[in-house]
Amino acid sequence: KNQVEQSPQSLIILEGKNCTLQCNYTVSPFSNLRWYKQDTGRGPVSLTIMTFSENTKSNGRYTATLDADTKQSSLHITASQLSDSASYICVVMGKTSYDKVIFGPGTSLSVIP
Amino acid sequence: ETGVTQTPRHLVMGMTNKKSLKCEQHLGHNAMYWYKQSAKKPLELMFVYSLEERVENNSVPSRFSPECPNSSHLFLHLHTLQPEDSALYLCASSHGDLRTGELFFGEGSRLTVL
Repeated sequence: KNQVEQSPQSLIILEGKNCTLQCNYTVSPFSNLRWYKQDTGRGPVSLTIMTFSENTKSNGRYTATLDADTKQSSLHITASQLSDSASYICVVMGKTSYDKVIFGPGTSLSVIP
Repeated sequence: ETGVTQTPRHLVMGMTNKKSLKCEQHLGHNAMYWYKQSAKKPLELMFVYSLEERVENNSVPSRFSPECPNSSHLFLHLHTLQPEDSALYLCASSHGDLRTGELFFGEGSRLTVL
């Protein structure tokens, strides 16, 4: 069964600290993996997209890594800001039809002063 | 501003009401999607329209009826809903299929069924 799991479920960190969110997946065959940020009550916004051959991709203070062999990805946030408080969703895309877009449950991040 | 606009942002309806959610994209995309996001659960794909034709109906109850009159507009008609249908309904669009196209989401319509 195609699945995407994320950990931790929720996380609280102090402003200015770094954190790493994890994503494990079993989707196969694999096309690409995306990380989205979703503010409370808003739609998700794309942070990064990585294909099978990419190991690392950065977008400002966000750095995503991908290990296609172990089917794991991480999202590292550097020097966190209060505005980073949101849900971070890992999305894995299969190579076939539209229903092979599998969303993870998300990690809820709270950055406190 | 993602280029995908949803209205209304909030909707409260009774189980016997008929209402509609509207989505409009200004990105020139050729595919549009409806997703349901319930509390503490992953996004669930409901419908996909590509070039104005429905290409995916993910076992959604008939009380949800989509309509795509053109490539820029997508509606979700709601009728005789249940309280468990209360959720955030997200519209998205893409250019081409999702193996290569980026998925752009609207802000969502928060639906409460009483």
